[in-house]
Amino acid sequence: ETGVTQTPRHLVMGMTNKKSLKCEQHLGHNAMYWYKQSAKKPLELMFVYSLEERVENNSVPSRFSPECPNSSHLFLHLHTLQPEDSALYLCASSHHRDRGGTYEQYFGPGTRLTVT
Amino acid sequence: QKEVEQNSGPLSVPEGAIASLNCTYSDRVSQSFFWYRQYSGKSPELIMSIYSNGDKEDGRFTAQLNKASQYVSLLIRDSQPSDSATYLCAVNGHNAGNMLTFGGGTRLMVKP
Repeated sequence: ETGVTQTPRHLVMGMTNKKSLKCEQHLGHNAMYWYKQSAKKPLELMFVYSLEERVENNSVPSRFSPECPNSSHLFLHLHTLQPEDSALYLCASSHHRDRGGTYEQYFGPGTRLTVT
Repeated sequence: QKEVEQNSGPLSVPEGAIASLNCTYSDRVSQSFFWYRQYSGKSPELIMSIYSNGDKEDGRFTAQLNKASQYVSLLIRDSQPSDSATYLCAVNGHNAGNMLTFGGGTRLMVKP
């Protein structure tokens, strides 16, 4: 496997279901990100983990719960979602940079989530 | 006021022409700037990064940064139909850690 992988690629879930999205990076990076991309809206940053610590939680509803067990893996646990949560969920990774800007972020293929 | 602004387009250019994509940002002390290409139904793909004022060239792509005017642009020379995609501008603001703010993207159409 190379780059950033995400599973599943497509997910349909009911509003009462619990599911998890998985992301794995093979680039030797130490920062990982979850983004949400809805139709006709800019990419929205949801969570950032840097050096395995959560450093940003962008006012995301508690029905989304991230987990980063190590620098190569990132999960997004989903429960009691709403239809408006249907979107493309993208994982990205980069090298961590303390100051002076940031390094390039590389995206996985995304999970297309549909909440029914 | 949006932090990163792009014209949504579509920008239509004929094959072989130069496509010029523009992006403005509001954080005057932003430090890192990126261009991503996103095909319909796919994830963003990094095509250029630029950190200093001036031009940076990579193949058919040139990124231009003007921090005084707070804009960054992407030129695509010899545009091909395969360049038809949405181009996303991303900016890392001052004290933003590793976080990027994305613009809404410009849709480019290259007509044969």
